[in-house]
Amino acid sequence: QKEVEQNSGPLSVPEGAIASLNCTYSDRGSQSFFWYRQYSGKSPELIMFIYSNGDKEDGRFTAQLNKASQYVSLLIRDSQPSDSATYLCAVKSEYNFNKFYFGSGTKLNVKP
Amino acid sequence: EAQVTQNPRYLITVTGKKLTVTCSQNMNHEYMSWYRQDPGLGLRQIYYSMNVEVTDKGDVPEGYKVSRKEKRNFPLILESPSPNQTSLYFCASRPGQENYGYTFGSGTRLTVV
Repeated sequence: QKEVEQNSGPLSVPEGAIASLNCTYSDRGSQSFFWYRQYSGKSPELIMFIYSNGDKEDGRFTAQLNKASQYVSLLIRDSQPSDSATYLCAVKSEYNFNKFYFGSGTKLNVKP
Repeated sequence: EAQVTQNPRYLITVTGKKLTVTCSQNMNHEYMSWYRQDPGLGLRQIYYSMNVEVTDKGDVPEGYKVSRKEKRNFPLILESPSPNQTSLYFCASRPGQENYGYTFGSGTRLTVV
């Protein structure tokens, strides 16, 4: 079983819609969760982190965390074609401060 | 500009020829890591360092070496590269505080023939 699971997609949404990206993790003790965006051929770019249950909003992005269900999600409101990228979920190990587990990513296509 | 700098961006080499990929960060970060990214497998950690002279293995350390003699530099060494080490490599760094994520370098695409 992988530490972090994501649907590989592609997830296609029309411009202006809400894109919902999901991630589950196996380590129940994990405390910190991160979302990265990676454009094709580029390096991952950190867009949000969350460590408390509930929602955290930053502009058009909302991260949601449910530790009981071991589930993290990222909502992108008013999706734009420039949001088309692969989104990586990362979970920081409870036991090793420096160990991050990454999902394989979900590819998002926003159609004009 | 705060950044992680890797070199080279692209490298083609032959099996068995030692190579080094350099990594440098200008953010005074304590933690540094090397990842490789392969299709379908995602990002996998090779080695990481918590500070100068402190390094440890990640999930896929076989065939790689690292050193951290200065806080800003964290080179990745392939003593005898093999074709299965063909991959996209990323260096990353982060502060020592708990809830900070990694900042990634631009990546090195390595091909071993």
